[in-house]
Amino acid sequence: DAKTTQPPSMDCAEGRAANLPCNHSTISGNEYVYWYRQIHSQGPQYIIHGLKNNETNEMASLIITEDRKSSTLILPHATLRDTAVYYCIVRVFRQWASNTGKLIFGQGTTLQVKP
Amino acid sequence: ETGVTQSPTHLIKTRGQQVTLRCSSQSGHNTVSWYQQALGQGPQFIFQYYREEENGRGNFPPRFSGLQFPNYSSELNVNALELDDSALYLCASSDLGGNTIYFGEGSWLTVV
Repeated sequence: DAKTTQPPSMDCAEGRAANLPCNHSTISGNEYVYWYRQIHSQGPQYIIHGLKNNETNEMASLIITEDRKSSTLILPHATLRDTAVYYCIVRVFRQWASNTGKLIFGQGTTLQVKP
Repeated sequence: ETGVTQSPTHLIKTRGQQVTLRCSSQSGHNTVSWYQQALGQGPQFIFQYYREEENGRGNFPPRFSGLQFPNYSSELNVNALELDDSALYLCASSDLGGNTIYFGEGSWLTVV
């Protein structure tokens, strides 16, 4: 079972920031938070990941609370092309063992960006 | 553009038949994993391959099998197809440390 909880859907106005929350209250100390998104009928796209510090890249920012029990993915200026299902996933980073390629997906959040 | 390519993009098979799906991993990635995504659901992990051997498997029956080749490309084989096997099949690649996992665009399989 997925170790994360996300709202099933959210709306955002084009050009505004989209803030997507995720709860992961049972996260372990060696587990990272990963975010992927999936645009209709395409493969999941990697967005960002982090352990405990806030992270930013060209796509998004990831804010992780100090207790690491929740996080927020921020798309600073949402466009219509950001309409997708967003998945928050926790997994062990760099586990040199079997199932390193394993991600457990939940239902995700469907983000609808509106003009 | 992730560098992970899959073929074919779409195919239709009859119940009871066998299917082979193919995947080329991103350059430098030696671990390939496969996922099944039914309509309206999140992807589900089938198995992964490293050094041409399966080294991790999800809750899928033995009729789902795979291969990995020396160039790290991979095949997913499904025997005795059932209607419920209709899904998007995703291939993903990573280094063994699994720093980041990149997905291909998938192969849509319809079983009739």
